Amino acid sequence: DQQVKQNSPSLSVQEGRISILNCDYTNSMFDYFLWYKKYPAEGPTFLISISSIKDKNEDGRFTVFLNKSAKHLSLHIVPSQPGDSAVYFCAARYGGSQGNLIFGKGTKLSVKP
Amino acid sequence: EPEVTQTPSHQVTQMGQEVILRCVPISNHLYFYWYRQILGQKVEFLVSFYNNEISEKSEIFDDQFSVERPDGSNFTLKIRSTKLEDSAMYFCASSFTGVGNTEAFFGQGTRLTVV
Repeated sequence: DQQVKQNSPSLSVQEGRISILNCDYTNSMFDYFLWYKKYPAEGPTFLISISSIKDKNEDGRFTVFLNKSAKHLSLHIVPSQPGDSAVYFCAARYGGSQGNLIFGKGTKLSVKP
Repeated sequence: EPEVTQTPSHQVTQMGQEVILRCVPISNHLYFYWYRQILGQKVEFLVSFYNNEISEKSEIFDDQFSVERPDGSNFTLKIRSTKLEDSAMYFCASSFTGVGNTEAFFGQGTRLTVV
């Protein structure tokens, strides 16, 4: 039962170009979406989030877009840097939940110099 | 920068033994969580804890699991009788408010190996 899907297990991008990571969800009861980055042997690190009442949120090089009708969100990283190479997890929260995040399987991003 | 600290980083235990995983959340945070990630699988929510009680738990968090905040700084996850399938990376996290209003900060994880 994959309520949050990241269909691309890996993505390779040239340094300086845009990285676009995609995430689809099935449950319309999700009210908050988050992106986490994870390096090996470390815990997930929060990147950026978006409420279901918005369609875009920006923080520096990171922008998250939400398309509720398509149940799709994407994370754009511009420009990509080698230090961005990590596994990126999309996560969603049920409305009213206090921490029950449903994670996707992750996309491994490699940014090549 | 404040961080969530977990000990030990790696725990090996025999099947059927009790294990306690320890976490020190960020000091002014009020909400505490445990997640786990079985190798090759998704990060899964186990439990959230607020105001000295469990506020939410998943189906995974059965009677074998318990959480406790024994003092003002530690937050522990106990597995009473470990099974092979409990082998996973366990992540503790904390947030100032419920996730969604402020982000959850994760610790580096404890790798539990049940043999």
